[in-house]
Amino acid sequence: NAGVTQTPKFQVLKTGQSMTLQCAQDMNHNSMYWYRQDPGMGLRLIYYSASEGTTDKGEVPNGYNVSRLNKREFSLRLESAAPSQTSVYFCASRFRGNTGELFFGEGSRLTVL
Amino acid sequence: RKEVEQDPGPFNVPEGATVAFNCTYSNSASQSFFWYRQDCRKEPKLLMSVYSSGNEDGRFTAQLNRASQYISLLIRDSKLSDSATYLCVVNGPTGGFKTIFGAGTRLFVKA
Repeated sequence: NAGVTQTPKFQVLKTGQSMTLQCAQDMNHNSMYWYRQDPGMGLRLIYYSASEGTTDKGEVPNGYNVSRLNKREFSLRLESAAPSQTSVYFCASRFRGNTGELFFGEGSRLTVL
Repeated sequence: RKEVEQDPGPFNVPEGATVAFNCTYSNSASQSFFWYRQDCRKEPKLLMSVYSSGNEDGRFTAQLNRASQYISLLIRDSKLSDSATYLCVVNGPTGGFKTIFGAGTRLFVKA
């Protein structure tokens, strides 16, 4: 079972460059999420999509955009990367809403120089 | 005040020891609670859900105290393989999409 798949796993960017993190899930989940994890701060929600066709801001949305391309895919875009966006990014999904287990991808480690 | 607070540790314990982690949350309307485990440089994975009546899964026991807004995790007979970071996770009110993660408690089990 693939579960939640994220690409790329590692990326180094220069300040001002753009990139898109891709996420896909094969569990027929309705809700998808993008988190970032920084040392000592826990996971913080960037954006989420409650269902196909909807997206909403989370706790730390500035500097990011998202697209829920279809039920399976939810991408995160950095338009102009900044060193403060150096982090580990996790995509997650769950069947519906705010109940039940979150399933995570393996993470994408991004360094912005 | 953080919405979910945990002691960051680290907890250094010998194999076979019993260790307990605590977590407090601030939103009394929170509806469900979990412990996740995260290994170094890996994604978080569900360890167990937490119920008011308390629940046990092998060597792991989780407890919820809604009145005190407090969650605990007890690990008995610690194994080397239990070394990881344990995340306290709280889902917000029903109908919302808010899930809050604690910063995690690091556990090192040594031989």
